[in-house]
Amino acid sequence: AQSVTQLDSHVSVSEGTPVLLRCNYSSSYSPSLFWYVQHPNKGLQLLLKYTSAATLVKGINGFEAEFKKSETSFHLTKPSAHMSDAAEYFCVVSDQGGTASKLTFGTGTRLQVTL
Amino acid sequence: IAGITQAPTSQILAAGRRMTLRCTQDMRHNAMYWYRQDLGLGLRLIHYSNTAGTTGKGEVPDGYSVSRANTDDFPLTLASAVPSQTSVYFCASSSGTLPGANVLTFGAGSRLTVL
Repeated sequence: AQSVTQLDSHVSVSEGTPVLLRCNYSSSYSPSLFWYVQHPNKGLQLLLKYTSAATLVKGINGFEAEFKKSETSFHLTKPSAHMSDAAEYFCVVSDQGGTASKLTFGTGTRLQVTL
Repeated sequence: IAGITQAPTSQILAAGRRMTLRCTQDMRHNAMYWYRQDLGLGLRLIHYSNTAGTTGKGEVPDGYSVSRANTDDFPLTLASAVPSQTSVYFCASSSGTLPGANVLTFGAGSRLTVL
């Protein structure tokens, strides 16, 4: 069985400051892990994906995430927040090699960026 | 622009009525999915189809049906809508079902309100 926990339902940062969105996972096998972003009234868009290659994964728009097996974490970071980063972010887990019908979504973290 | 088109974007529906949400993709993706998004619950899989002519049940299939007559279209039907089906519905697709082919492309969503 697999599960994913997003530790914060809401995060607020000032523009230009670092972003940290936390995600912990549970998986019986080596997992695939994803971060998706959802802007208001839009569908979800893939930010980045981890599939057992490099543990530090770089995504779009300056985001990156680090897979830490010992901590079962896959936190999303960005050095400097921009107003356009305000959105909902979803951490997603799949057992390694699992198909999309086996994905488990987190409950989401809403990122607010203030001036 | 290649992607997924969902219709309608928004609908208010009386309880007991039948409703079909339409989904069309032009990427020739083999696999398609329907999710519902509810506040605090993230995305939950309703039904999926790994290829034209086949469908499968997801996490929350009760009250919903799907068909996959061809590669491009994947309609979701509520035979007799109930207020608990008030939600935002997302159609998604992936290129295949082999390991690694589990990145989803999402439509913009259909907001359904059942009164």
